[in-house]
Amino acid sequence: QKEVEQDPGPLSVPEGAIVSLNCTYSNSAFQYFMWYRQYSRKGPELLMYTYSSGNKEDGRFTAQVDKSSKYISLFIRDSQPSDSATYLCAMSETSYDKVIFGPGTSLSVIP
Amino acid sequence: DVKVTQSSRYLVKRTGEKVFLECVQDMDHENMFWYRQDPGLGLRLIYFSYDVKMKEKGDIPEGYSVSREKKERFSLILESASTNQTSMYLCASSSHSSGNTIYFGEGSWLTVV
Repeated sequence: QKEVEQDPGPLSVPEGAIVSLNCTYSNSAFQYFMWYRQYSRKGPELLMYTYSSGNKEDGRFTAQVDKSSKYISLFIRDSQPSDSATYLCAMSETSYDKVIFGPGTSLSVIP
Repeated sequence: DVKVTQSSRYLVKRTGEKVFLECVQDMDHENMFWYRQDPGLGLRLIYFSYDVKMKEKGDIPEGYSVSREKKERFSLILESASTNQTSMYLCASSSHSSGNTIYFGEGSWLTVV
C-alpha cells in the first residue's frame, strides 16, 4: 500500500460544477496537509495548507482533513475552465519531516 | 511571494554530456530540493539540502549529484547524461518556520538524445 493515494482521473466536469478531490493516507502521524495545483508544463503551486484536522476555506476552495478516517479533500465550487490542472495532495508528520506527495488527479472543466 | 527560479526551462543535451541545472530562491529558506517528475511516476525526490554545504540523498540519487555553496542556490549535476534522465526537473524550497510547505520553481525540461 502506498503511503498516499489519489485517484489519478482524469476527472471531467462541466463548468460551474462542484468538484471533490480526495486523498487517503496510511500514516496516522501526518499533521501537515497541503494541496498543490499544477498546470501543464509548469511547476506545482501551493493552493491550500492546513494543520491537523478541520476545514479551511479560501475563495472557491475548501480543504478538509479527517484524521480519524485518514482522508483529506479539496472542494472547488463554481468550477471554471481555468481550474483544469493536476491537483496533488501532500503531507508530513512535522515541519522537519519529509513531505510525501500523492500522484495527482487530473481535472478538466469543460465550458 | 516566494520565488524559486530555475535558470533553464528547456534543454537538449547529448548522451554523456555533463549537465548543470541551477536554482535560486529568494526567501532565505533553509531547505532546498530537487525532484524529477515523470508521467505515471509522480514526483520523486533526487536530493535535498538542509543547510549550506549539506546534502542528503533522496529516493533516486543514482546518476546525480548536487552542490549548495550558498544558502539561496542549489545546483543539480548530471555527471554523464543518459537518455533515461530525460524528464522534467523541479527545484523547490521550504522553511520549517512556514510549516514545511514546499515552493516549487517552474521546472526544467531536459531531453537527452
